[in-house]
Amino acid sequence: DTGVSQDPRHKITKRGQNVTFRCDPISEHNRLYWYRQTLGQGPEFLTYFQNEAQLEKSRLLSDRFSAERPKGSFSTLEIQRTEQGDSAMYLCASSLAGLAAYEQYFGPGTRLTVT
Amino acid sequence: AQSVAQPEDQVNVAEGNPLTVKCTYSVSGNPYLFWYVQYPNRGLQFLLKYITGDNLVKGSYGFEAEFNKSQTSFHLKKPSALVSDSALYFCAVRDSTGGFKTIFGAGTRLFVKA
Repeated sequence: DTGVSQDPRHKITKRGQNVTFRCDPISEHNRLYWYRQTLGQGPEFLTYFQNEAQLEKSRLLSDRFSAERPKGSFSTLEIQRTEQGDSAMYLCASSLAGLAAYEQYFGPGTRLTVT
Repeated sequence: AQSVAQPEDQVNVAEGNPLTVKCTYSVSGNPYLFWYVQYPNRGLQFLLKYITGDNLVKGSYGFEAEFNKSQTSFHLKKPSALVSDSALYFCAVRDSTGGFKTIFGAGTRLFVKA
């Protein structure tokens, strides 16, 4: 399967702990996105990379959140000092780059539960 | 600021009947519009998009959507619903003049009854 993969699929952590999620995009996709989805809501944009450059970041992303995409391949999303409000599904998506608006391909998500 | 509204939390339709899932949007520039579908325990899947050109766009699984600039709408349609179409549908918009941030609606659950 050459789709977008995410690891882990589920993560349970205690409040105050740090967590890190990984996303492997489709290999030829230059663009990578992170979203957060809570029950009953659509995906909420967190951040966007083109290759290794983080070009856009939501104001919703507090300083406890950080994302990287070293070498423009896989990406990691880290949440420091987790809070119960961070419990959500974290989605990664990738797309081709170019002037056209290409559709995004989503991974299965990482479900985070903060206890 | 960009925004998307899906006014119906749920749409119920009988199998074989036409279906419409509504979406309205707001952007500063020209919109790029998308529909995605989420089946239970599966990731979001792309259905179709409008970038420019013909206002009626066709996508996967027999779905189509009509872009209406004056009404700022992008309703999803299918002439004949299948039980297997039952899923959660998301409308999304990106402003052509402002970065790559994509805004998703809250979703509409489609229930097709046999």
